[in-house]
Amino acid sequence: DAGVIQSPRHEVTEMGQEVTLRCKPISGHNSLFWYRQTMMRGLELLIYFNNNVPIDDSGMPEDRFSAKMPNASFSTLKIQPSEPRDSAVYFCASRPPGADRYGYTFGSGTRLTVV
Amino acid sequence: AQSVTQLDSQVPVFEEAPVELRCNYSSSVSVYLFWYVQYPNQGLQLLLKYLSGSTLVKGINGFEAEFNKSQTSFHLRKPSVHISDTAEYFCAVLAGTALIFGKGTTLSVSS
Repeated sequence: DAGVIQSPRHEVTEMGQEVTLRCKPISGHNSLFWYRQTMMRGLELLIYFNNNVPIDDSGMPEDRFSAKMPNASFSTLKIQPSEPRDSAVYFCASRPPGADRYGYTFGSGTRLTVV
Repeated sequence: AQSVTQLDSQVPVFEEAPVELRCNYSSSVSVYLFWYVQYPNQGLQLLLKYLSGSTLVKGINGFEAEFNKSQTSFHLRKPSVHISDTAEYFCAVLAGTALIFGKGTTLSVSS
C-alpha cells in the first residue's frame, strides 16, 4: 500500500499564476479530504468528497480555489490566480467506506510558496 | 458546533521526563476524539483514538490519553519521553464526517 500520494512535494510560483495540487487516495478509500495548514490558522478543512462527489466545500476560502475529483483515484486542488497569502502546506487525506470513526490517512503534503 | 482547544502551543521537556499535552473539546453529541502526530516535513499520523468504552486509550509509541466527559478533556500523556518524540501533536474531534483539528502543540524534547 503506497499510502496517500500528493504531488508535487514543493511548489514555488509567482503571484497571479495558476497552481494545481494533486492527490491520489489509497485504493478502495471513498472519502477524500483537502486541508490547509498555516502557522496562524492551523489545520483547516477546505473540502471533502464522498464517492467522488463534493459534500462540503464551506472551508474553501474564496472563488480562486476549486477542487475536483473526476474519479476514485485522483483529485486536484486548483488556485487561480494564486496570492502570497495562499502560501501554506496543503494536505490530502482519505478514508475507507464505513470508517467514519476511525480517522484518516494523510499524505505528506504539498508545501506551496507564492512569491 | 464541535471544536477542540489545545491549551499549550509549546511544551519543552527533558528526555525521560513525563509529559502531558492538554486538549479540551466542545460537543453536544457523542464524541469521537483523536490525537495525531506530525514529524517535521511529514504528514499526520494517527497516535490513538477514543470511540467508546474504556476512558483510557493506549496508542502507538507509548502514548496514552484519558477521556474525561465531566471535564470535556482528552489529554495525551507519556510517562517518559525520548528525543524522537519531538514533533507537533494535534487533537481532533469528529464533526459529522470530517475531522476538526486543534491548533497543535509543539513538543520539544531535549537532553
